Order: sequence, then structure tokens, then C-alpha cells
Amino acid sequence: SQQGEEDPQALSIQEGENATMNCSYKTSINNLQWYRQNSGRGLVHLILIRSNEREKHSGRLRVTLDTSKKSSSLLITASRAADTASYFCATGSNYQLIWGAGTKLIIKP
Amino acid sequence: NAGVTQTPKFRVLKTGQSMTLLCAQDMNHEYMYWYRQDPGMGLRLIHYSVGEGTTAKGEVPDGYNVSRLKKQNFLLGLESAAPSQTSVYFCASSHQGGVRGNQPQHFGDGTRLSIL
Repeated sequence: SQQGEEDPQALSIQEGENATMNCSYKTSINNLQWYRQNSGRGLVHLILIRSNEREKHSGRLRVTLDTSKKSSSLLITASRAADTASYFCATGSNYQLIWGAGTKLIIKP
Repeated sequence: NAGVTQTPKFRVLKTGQSMTLLCAQDMNHEYMYWYRQDPGMGLRLIHYSVGEGTTAKGEVPDGYNVSRLKKQNFLLGLESAAPSQTSVYFCASSHQGGVRGNQPQHFGDGTRLSIL
């Protein structure tokens, strides 16, 4: 069963604009992770935020976590063509990660 | 560093055939995972291992078996392939999470498997 649900399912923006993706989940978590998947490739870890953290930055990425609303957002600032990919959130508990269906991001030149 | 390597990259099977997907990691990770990815869905965990010689069932284990005889290798077997097992299979590995929870997972580039 899917824990996380990303919103929107697809997003198309102009290069240079900011992209925001959201993730909602259902149960208590230890942490929430965001991954990127380029077409035909494996997933690449972007950022991990623990349940006691509210915001985390990594380069052009900003992740927020609201455990009261069971939601997280991923912001990519100043988007580039190379950011075109699918983005997945995954919530961690025990040994496993449970994955959402992903947001497909297209950056138009 | 190779990271996580999956073989083969592509395979076509006939219904009822068997095969083994191989996964090797060179990062000395304790945990390893097998997922399947289907269109419009997130990754679903098939089996996982928290150490050499140990395996456990994930969300969708039916029709699959696994073995982890060496720390660096995790094998996924299909004993009698069915069309419903057509999918992209990903292997991943991570350090053990401990009390702070899960660690980032490192993925291979997948095996694209078609069952006719």
C-alpha cells in the first residue's frame, strides 16, 4: 500500500521558475526522504528530513515537513533543464521505505 | 566506485520460465532491497535483507524468492514467471538505520523484465 501521495502528478514549468511538489502520508514516520529519477535510470537520493526537523536545505532544494498535517513539500528554485525528472517521496519506519507514485517534472527551455 | 550494479539490464521471458536477477553493491552496506516499479505507481518492496544470510518479505513477495549468501550480493529469483511480473526491478542498498531510522538508499539502474 502506498504511504505517500505526491501532488501534483505532473508539473510543467519554464526554465528559471521555481517548482513545488507536495507529499502527504498516513502514519507516523521516523523520517521522510525525497528522491529523483531520470528517465530509464535508478532513483537518486536528494534529501532526508527527520521527524523532529521542520525544514532542510541542500543547494537549490528546500524541503519542509509538517508532522501535524502529515505532509512535506519539495521546492526546487531556479529550475534548469537538467531538473526534468520524476520526484518521489518516501517515508521511513522500521527497516522499510514506503513510496509515493511520484511527480513528473518537465522544465521547458 | 560502481555503487549498485544490476544484471541483466533487459530480459524477455516466456510464461513459466525461471530466472535470477543479480544485484551487487560495493559500499559495504548492511541492508539490501528488491523493488518493482510499475507505471503510475511508486516502488513496491518485494523482499529485503538486513544482513548476510537473512531475508524478509516486503509488500509484494508472492512469486519471488531471494537469497543473500554474501554481504555484497542480493539475488531475486522468479521460479515460474507470469505476465503480471512484467515490470522494472530495482535493487537498492543502505547502511543500517539504527534507532534514528532509515538511511538513504542507493539504487541500481534497474532490470526491465517482460513476461510473454
